[in-house]
Amino acid sequence: ELKVEQNPLFLSMQEEKNYTIYCNYSTTSDRLYWYRQDPGKSLESLFVLLSNGAVKQEGRLMASLDTKARLSTLHITAAVHDLSATYFCAVDIPPAQGGSEKLVFGKGTKLTVNP
Amino acid sequence: DTGVSQDPRHKITKRGQNVTFRCDPISEHNRLYWYRQTLGQGPEFLTYFQNEAQLEKSRLLSDRFSAERPKGSFSTLEIQRTEQGDSAMYLCASSRTTRPYEQYFGPGTRLTVT
Repeated sequence: ELKVEQNPLFLSMQEEKNYTIYCNYSTTSDRLYWYRQDPGKSLESLFVLLSNGAVKQEGRLMASLDTKARLSTLHITAAVHDLSATYFCAVDIPPAQGGSEKLVFGKGTKLTVNP
Repeated sequence: DTGVSQDPRHKITKRGQNVTFRCDPISEHNRLYWYRQTLGQGPEFLTYFQNEAQLEKSRLLSDRFSAERPKGSFSTLEIQRTEQGDSAMYLCASSRTTRPYEQYFGPGTRLTVT
């Protein structure tokens, strides 16, 4: 059974500091997703990583995927208050690898950026 | 492209009542997914459809839950004899079969069972 673990679960940062959120998963897959969720809201797609070594950047966020280590990272550069939210990683396994393409989510990392 | 829509956005019901939620996917998206998210947790997969066929159901989906997608367009999720443990956000997502890795989520229906 596919399991996805994120750490840390809570992260309090100061503005302008850098930090990394980690996402480990238990079963071979080359598809990983990062989502952002604001309180009471739905999920906003941030990144879709579809191959080993994939790296994507948007503003102050950069995501990477190492399928051999079954690890993805979400790096935050020079945090600003607007980045405060909960960040989820999710993994699915395509049918060619024996899966069904349903997303399995981590528990989320609640990020608070303080002035 | 108006996005995935869900109705209602909020539902408060008494224990034992039945509730039904609706999801309208992005047009031309033939895959539709239901997830449930409880407070402080990540979303959990419930079920998904390809066109009108329900292809997978999670063990989380007890006999009190039923989902349909009769014409391969909108979907309904019904919960019978609601329990307090059913209180959660119910999220719907849709995608194209050719691009299953692009799941777009709706705003969700927040259910509170009192």
